[in-house]
Amino acid sequence: EPEVTQTPSHQVTQMGQEVILRCVPISNHLYFYWYRQILGQKVEFLVSFYNNEISEKSEIFDDQFSVERPDGSNFTLKIRSTKLEDSAMYFCASMSKADVVRLFFGSGTQLSVL
Amino acid sequence: AQSVAQPEDQVNVAEGNPLTVKCTYSVSGNPYLFWYVQYPNRGLQFLLKYITGDNLVKGSYGFEAEFNKSQTSFHLKKPSALVSDSALYFCAVRETGTYKYIFGTGTRLKVLA
Repeated sequence: EPEVTQTPSHQVTQMGQEVILRCVPISNHLYFYWYRQILGQKVEFLVSFYNNEISEKSEIFDDQFSVERPDGSNFTLKIRSTKLEDSAMYFCASMSKADVVRLFFGSGTQLSVL
Repeated sequence: AQSVAQPEDQVNVAEGNPLTVKCTYSVSGNPYLFWYVQYPNRGLQFLLKYITGDNLVKGSYGFEAEFNKSQTSFHLKKPSALVSDSALYFCAVRETGTYKYIFGTGTRLKVLA
């Protein structure tokens, strides 16, 4: 089965630093998402992206966050100035236009802000 | 706001016994409902969906879910639990008119040998 790939698997950064989390969605998918999971439990929606623009975003997704699809294959999440509370597992997901009822998730990037 | 609730943080069941993981929903219009499973150190994996049609939907790994409109519930079930079913289970809903998926808080299922 095709997979969503995320790199790195673990990222450690200092508070106030910028981080970029990278994702390669499944190749024919057109809908892209970022979610985060706190303490291995709650899964929170951050943003959805379609047709090169943000479709929906949550209250969490403030001006410190941005997303980009720079080259037609990668999908990135940038946090400009990380805070301690940004520490979480970040999941990328994608969805096909042919099956708009099934998300495919990557294995996540564990972000630790010190 | 549309949402799903999972009232149990953890469910324990003996291997071979039937299991139920509960989910209730709050949506306007017809709900699109889902179950996902997460194994340790992995992303969420799709199990099954309810869009329309039969209230009992079947999914992967022998799981099924029953849509109950009057009780606004979408409980996940399996007739005979396996130890390998132990994982974190998430109920989800797609917000009406969008492609935004909202997940519940998750229920940890432990199947005891």
